[in-house]
Amino acid sequence: GAGVSQSPSNKVTEKGKDVELRCDPISGHTALYWYRQSLGQGLEFLIYFQGNSAPDKSGLPSDRFSAERTGGSVSTLTIQRTQQEDSAVYLCASSLAGWVSADTQYFGPGTRLTVL
Amino acid sequence: LAKTTQPISMDSYEGQEVNITCSHNNIATNDYITWYQQFPSQGPRFIIQGYKTKVTNEVASLFIPADRKSSTLSLPRVSLSDTAVYYCLRGNDYKLSFGAGTTVTVRA
Repeated sequence: GAGVSQSPSNKVTEKGKDVELRCDPISGHTALYWYRQSLGQGLEFLIYFQGNSAPDKSGLPSDRFSAERTGGSVSTLTIQRTQQEDSAVYLCASSLAGWVSADTQYFGPGTRLTVL
Repeated sequence: LAKTTQPISMDSYEGQEVNITCSHNNIATNDYITWYQQFPSQGPRFIIQGYKTKVTNEVASLFIPADRKSSTLSLPRVSLSDTAVYYCLRGNDYKLSFGAGTTVTVRA
């Protein structure tokens, strides 16, 4: 079956521009997660959605970052006024039930963002 | 914030057993411990999950002591294709904490 998909796979933008990253979770998965992975670094948790609701947005790096999820499905991570330090791979994952600790997460291939 | 610590790297040879230990302070009562594997340019992939004692699947074993302050992923008889980065994950109030990852290099 179809896995988690993300688009675009690569995005190059200029400093100061806004970007939108999209995640299509596995059908029927109620939970959705966003992570950031800088070059050679580990995974930084950004935000988690249970349905369309995000219980805690404090993991987002700054107020330039926002995320939404509609219809319990597609999610968009928006970065406004991009900075060079935003360059990273942004990974999305989804899971069936949403109990964050016990649920197996299925990851997408990621979007590689480069800010010039 | 909960902290998850694991070794940066480990080297091994084909056919050997590899054990990676993750330390997790302040682990919550309802936290499970999950391990993921990541190859270059791919998203992480689930390996194994446990709560207490020992769990085994077709790929690995996971040992968690009674105090649950650490966990050890055991990869039996590794092959070259097991060269990857391995992450441990624990959850805490919606703030998921991945370890920094352990790069395992398997040599012939």
